[in-house]
Amino acid sequence: GDSVTQMEGPVTLSEEAFLTINCTYTATGYPSLFWYVQYPGEGLQLLLKATKADDKGSNKGFEATYRKETTSFHLEKGSVQVSDSAVYFCAKRAGGTSYGKLTFGQGTILTVHP
Amino acid sequence: GAGVSQSPSNKVTEKGKDVELRCDPISGHTALYWYRQSLGQGLEFLIYFQGNSAPDKSGLPSDRFSAERTGGSVSTLTIQRTQQEDSAVYLCASSLMGLDKGDTQYFGPGTRLTVL
Repeated sequence: GDSVTQMEGPVTLSEEAFLTINCTYTATGYPSLFWYVQYPGEGLQLLLKATKADDKGSNKGFEATYRKETTSFHLEKGSVQVSDSAVYFCAKRAGGTSYGKLTFGQGTILTVHP
Repeated sequence: GAGVSQSPSNKVTEKGKDVELRCDPISGHTALYWYRQSLGQGLEFLIYFQGNSAPDKSGLPSDRFSAERTGGSVSTLTIQRTQQEDSAVYLCASSLMGLDKGDTQYFGPGTRLTVL
């Protein structure tokens, strides 16, 4: 099927730890890939995106590389902060007749302790 | 500039009643989307508008759900004869063109619907 799978959470880290949240997808063709973040009490915000293979999206110290060969788009940050505590969603958007639709992963809750 | 706005922010209704949820997209955005977020189902796509037409309604869960968009701007999602399983946060998003798969969707704060 057409899906996005994220690593199961929740993830709990200490401040300045390294973060990886895994994301893999199934799709025909070459979708665009996104990471969205939902901070407590706020709406979904785009964190970063990549639209073709080997592209790297980056923002606020977070990075993700579009890996076609492994159909993955893992999110990484070298040193997390307490303010990064949020829910992170991986998403894809295919072309063709599915132009409009974002397909989301189930979300990963990240908690960063001081 | 102003982002996507939705109203009401919260709605509590009784089972069997009809509800209308409103979305005001970012000015100039031609594409508009509805999603819902629930604990059991995560984030699910409902419907996509390009201008006033809806080329993709594949996510509407039943014929109790309908949506329209007028003037290429405001959209209304209507749920008739609400059921308890309709309880969720309904999210609206808009994007500039909608025809490019890299086009970024900007989300509103959502309407939390509770069906008693």
